[in-house]
Amino acid sequence: AQSVTQLGSHVSVSEGALVLLRCNYSSSVPPYLFWYVQYPNQGLQLLLKYTSAATLVKGINGFEAEFKKSETSFHLTKPSAHMSDAAEYFCAVLSGYSTLTFGKGTMLLVSP
Amino acid sequence: GEEVAQTPKHLVRGEGQKAKLYCAPIKGHSYVFWYQQVLKNEFKFLISFQNENVFDETGMPKERFSAKCLPNSPCSLEIQATKLEDSAVYFCASSQAGSGTDYGYTFGSGTRLTVV
Repeated sequence: AQSVTQLGSHVSVSEGALVLLRCNYSSSVPPYLFWYVQYPNQGLQLLLKYTSAATLVKGINGFEAEFKKSETSFHLTKPSAHMSDAAEYFCAVLSGYSTLTFGKGTMLLVSP
Repeated sequence: GEEVAQTPKHLVRGEGQKAKLYCAPIKGHSYVFWYQQVLKNEFKFLISFQNENVFDETGMPKERFSAKCLPNSPCSLEIQATKLEDSAVYFCASSQAGSGTDYGYTFGSGTRLTVV
């Protein structure tokens, strides 16, 4: 069965600092991986997805993630944090044909 | 439209009452998915549809929960005899294809169910 683990329930950065949110996956088959963002009282918005093409995936709002098979990781990064990036971030893996299995989420806190 | 519309946004039910949630997928999307978010963070897959047919119901509690997607109507998720543990945010998502690898999934903003 496919699963993802997000390390750190909370990550705090200063505005302008590098954002790094960690996600490790477990999968018996080549995984399809996703990062979603959830702003307070809102639904999930897709940031980016890995579907076995390029290992470095660029998403919206300046985020990117790199698929590293040797490390079974798909960490999300952004070079410079903005206050508006403060939100909950979820890593997910496609389980079976169409079901997403989500990690427990990482709350990103951005301080001025 | 280009958004998944979920209604109502908030729903409060007394324990034992029925709750019915609705989801209008994006026009042209054939697949609809229901997820339950409990304790703010944990997402649980419930059920998915391909048009009006159940596609995957492996996450659906066998008792008290039912769902439908009928032609020309919003999809619905119904909980009979709600329990306190059903309190959660229920998200609906739709997709052009069953696998989100090509087109991705678009999520609605959710229905917050509170059982008191």
